Amino acid sequence: GQQLNQSPQSMFIQEGEDVSMNCTSSSIFNTWLWYKQDPGEGPVLLIALYKAGELTSNGRLTAQFGITRKDSFLNISASIPSDVGIYFCAGHAKTGNQFYFGTGTSLTVIP
Amino acid sequence: DAGVIQSPRHEVTEMGQEVTLRCKPISGHDYLFWYRQTMMRGLELLIYFNNNVPIDDSGMPEDRFSAKMPNASFSTLKIQPSEPRDSAVYFCASSFWGLEAFFGQGTRLTVV
Repeated sequence: GQQLNQSPQSMFIQEGEDVSMNCTSSSIFNTWLWYKQDPGEGPVLLIALYKAGELTSNGRLTAQFGITRKDSFLNISASIPSDVGIYFCAGHAKTGNQFYFGTGTSLTVIP
Repeated sequence: DAGVIQSPRHEVTEMGQEVTLRCKPISGHDYLFWYRQTMMRGLELLIYFNNNVPIDDSGMPEDRFSAKMPNASFSTLKIQPSEPRDSAVYFCASSFWGLEAFFGQGTRLTVV
């Protein structure tokens, strides 16, 4: 299936720092989604992007739909301990009508 | 809405036994997805339904796996016979028009 490359694989940051992660694909997507997964739980949708170039915020989270439609970025400002978890990107193409998930970025916030 | 509901949350079974995982999607959603998550392979799409009809089952590992959606509010994923390598967390997700997918809490399956 489709492979989405997500980077970095893991991050260890101090509380209060900003975080950036990205996701790239070899294919064009019409929708980009960002999820957060806590241990023992299912992924929870954070932000959905539907248009190339779109910049959307959800509290301290900001995500962008890349102009090429082959990438997306997620930024977290002023990180706090509860931001700890694994962040996944997902791309959706109309063809096949399914979501393809990235490999995840594991975030650790050090108080 | 209660969200996507999966049962059981945990299942431990012996190799060779039949396992049935259950999912109730969000009311009104017309797409339902079954995923499997492992450390090695991440989130893998097994099968998805649109309006209760299986659309793509190319991710189903082998014939031991089967999925049904008898109505808009219920789906099952069955493994028969189960093997230790089937141990994973299985997620069900649903969406409207195939867009934003909402996940259940998952079923952690352990086959011993």
